[in-house]
Amino acid sequence: DAGVTQSPTHLIKTRGQHVTLRCSPISGHKSVSWYQQVLGQGPQFIFQYYEKEERGRGNFPDRFSARQFPNYSSELNVNALLLGDSALYLCASSWKQGVGELFFGEGSRLTVL
Amino acid sequence: GEDVEQSLFLSVREGDSSVINCTYTDSSSTYLYWYKQEPGAGLQLLTYIFSNMDMKQDQRLTVLLNKKDKHLSLRIADTQTGDSAIYFCAESTEGNTPLVFGKGTRLSVIA
Repeated sequence: DAGVTQSPTHLIKTRGQHVTLRCSPISGHKSVSWYQQVLGQGPQFIFQYYEKEERGRGNFPDRFSARQFPNYSSELNVNALLLGDSALYLCASSWKQGVGELFFGEGSRLTVL
Repeated sequence: GEDVEQSLFLSVREGDSSVINCTYTDSSSTYLYWYKQEPGAGLQLLTYIFSNMDMKQDQRLTVLLNKKDKHLSLRIADTQTGDSAIYFCAESTEGNTPLVFGKGTRLSVIA
C-alpha cells in the first residue's frame, strides 16, 4: 500500500512568489495535517483538515492557506514567500481526526531565495 | 503553552543500549509519540503510548512514561548503525490533533 505521498519533493522560489504543495493521504485516511520543519527544529503544526473542513490551525500568518478535496487529498498554499518560509513541509494523514497513528510523508523541501 | 524538551545529542557504541529522554509540560497530554527521522527524509512513527500506561515494549524499543514527572524515555536495545538518526518526542492532548514536537535528539552510533 502506498504511504503518504507529497509533491514536489524539492522546489526553489524567490521572495514574493507563491507556492502550492500537494499531498495524497494513505488510502482510507480522511484526516490530513500539515507541518513546517525548519532546519534544526522539530515540526510545527500548520493546519489540520478532516472531512474537507479545517479542524485546526497553528500560529502561522494568513499567507498560509490549505484545503482538502473530496478525494481527501490536500493542498498547502503559501503566498508572498519570505526567506523564512524555507523549510521542509510535511504532510501527515490519519484515518480520523484525533484517533489513531499519524503517518508522515517524505516532505516537500522549499527553498526561498 | 505546551513545550517538549529533549537533549540534542547522544552517542553510543554499536551493541549498547540507547536511552533518549524527553520532558513535557502539558499535564493534559494524553498521547506521547516517538518518531525517527533519517537525513533528508520524513518522519517515521516508531511507537506511541497512552498517558494511562507506564510502559510499552515493541521488539528492541521500550517506552517508559513517568506521568508525575512528565518524563518520557525511549530505550533502544542492541543499538545498530542503522539506528543513527534524529529522534523526536511529541505529545498531543487529543490523539493526533495536533502534535507538539521537541527539537529532536541526534543519535550517533559508533561502530
